[in-house]
Amino acid sequence: DAKTTQPNSMESNEEEPVHLPCNHSTISGTDYIHWYRQLPSQGPEYVIHGLTSNVNNRMASLAIAEDRKSSTLILHRATLRDAAVYYCILPLAGGTSYGKLTFGQGTILTVHP
Amino acid sequence: GAGVSQSPRYKVAKRGQDVALRCDPISGHVSLFWYQQALGQGPEFLTYFQNEAQLEKSRLLSDRFSAERPKGSFSTLEIQRTEQGDSAMYLCASSLADPGQGTYEQYFGPGTRLTVT
Repeated sequence: DAKTTQPNSMESNEEEPVHLPCNHSTISGTDYIHWYRQLPSQGPEYVIHGLTSNVNNRMASLAIAEDRKSSTLILHRATLRDAAVYYCILPLAGGTSYGKLTFGQGTILTVHP
Repeated sequence: GAGVSQSPRYKVAKRGQDVALRCDPISGHVSLFWYQQALGQGPEFLTYFQNEAQLEKSRLLSDRFSAERPKGSFSTLEIQRTEQGDSAMYLCASSLADPGQGTYEQYFGPGTRLTVT
């Protein structure tokens, strides 16, 4: 499975934008980039995914570098509820366990009021 | 609509007891995954079902662990002769798994927190 690298932690102030980086230099042409987050004491929650083009949804935006070796999850206005561990993952795109997720350590996002 | 549900939410077992954890996926979801999450760590893959077929098991899944998904609906993860090292959050996720669209986002349940004393 292609690996991802994220900073261990980041901090933000409430109502400010947050840019969470992820490096995936060994990504293959068919790998989608997925982001999940896990709030305290909850199961992980799907945030967004993309392949080549930038993507927007109601939760966040995903900016993908032209060479696809890195991506950035953008929270446009952080709220206290966005404090969570954010995982950047390249799900298994083939084989028997299609879509299997390999979680790393993720980035712990702290949001200050 | 209803999301993924898991029961029980919390389970305390004495070492050596057998436990059974249940997962009800989102209706119509073909794929079902079990993950184990130790405190302070990211979730780790345990096993995968496509409908009722168990297609992959992680090496983490020792002989004491078994899982089934009869009729491709709910799934049960059973742990026999529990050990203190089995204490963890057990997460279940389901997915529609459409490879053509990369739409294999997984929807997770709240997890079962297992504590073995």
